[in-house]
Amino acid sequence: QVQLQESGPGLVKPSQTLSLICTVSGGSISSGDYYWNWIRQPPGKGLEWIGYIFYSGSTYYNPSLKSRVTISVDTSKNQFSLRLSSVTAADTAVYFCARAWAPRKTTLRYFDLWGRGTLVTVSS
Amino acid sequence: QSALTQPPSASGSPGQSVTISCTGTSSDVGGYNYVSWYQQHAGKAPKLIIYEVTKRPSGVPDRFSGSRSGNTASLTVSGLQAEDEADYYCSSYAGSNNVLFGGGTKLTVL
Repeated sequence: QVQLQESGPGLVKPSQTLSLICTVSGGSISSGDYYWNWIRQPPGKGLEWIGYIFYSGSTYYNPSLKSRVTISVDTSKNQFSLRLSSVTAADTAVYFCARAWAPRKTTLRYFDLWGRGTLVTVSS
Repeated sequence: QSALTQPPSASGSPGQSVTISCTGTSSDVGGYNYVSWYQQHAGKAPKLIIYEVTKRPSGVPDRFSGSRSGNTASLTVSGLQAEDEADYYCSSYAGSNNVLFGGGTKLTVL
């Protein structure tokens, strides 16, 4: 079955760039029916959608984070990545990668598969 | 765009029913049939339990049901069981390729 796994540094210094990778196993990232997402959850708080990418490279970002976010895809490695620049303590969170059903690249309908999440702490 | 509004907490005794609300606007919850609900146990990833307002993925007990009236969606958990104690989040498509989540509701089984 398809699985998602996040990886990357658990500690990032303020003003630096947070970088994470999500590896997709058991299936292809190049499906025309899914968007690949990043979602985060600050400790003790709710979920915040960061953005998504289609395997062709089309991206859409949360307007509140758009100026600092870049999501990219590497279909040869079956991976997609998150970069969040100029981080502050407010960016400390568990970061999840998630698959969203969007048949034939239409409207994102729901998140049907999630990674376990990785905690990223922003601190000097 | 603001997060969808959920009550911070809900509770019920085993066997009872509990309903959790999720209030948005006509631009999100009330405007699209793409409301979903997620269950998150402590320290775990969220799990999809309701999609497209009322549909249930295979493997999710029929004790979980979804509905919507106007700009408010609801999740009802019937026949409460101890393992239902978790955080619950609603989500909705909000147009222009945006997605919103609710603030989450902590469900306690008394």
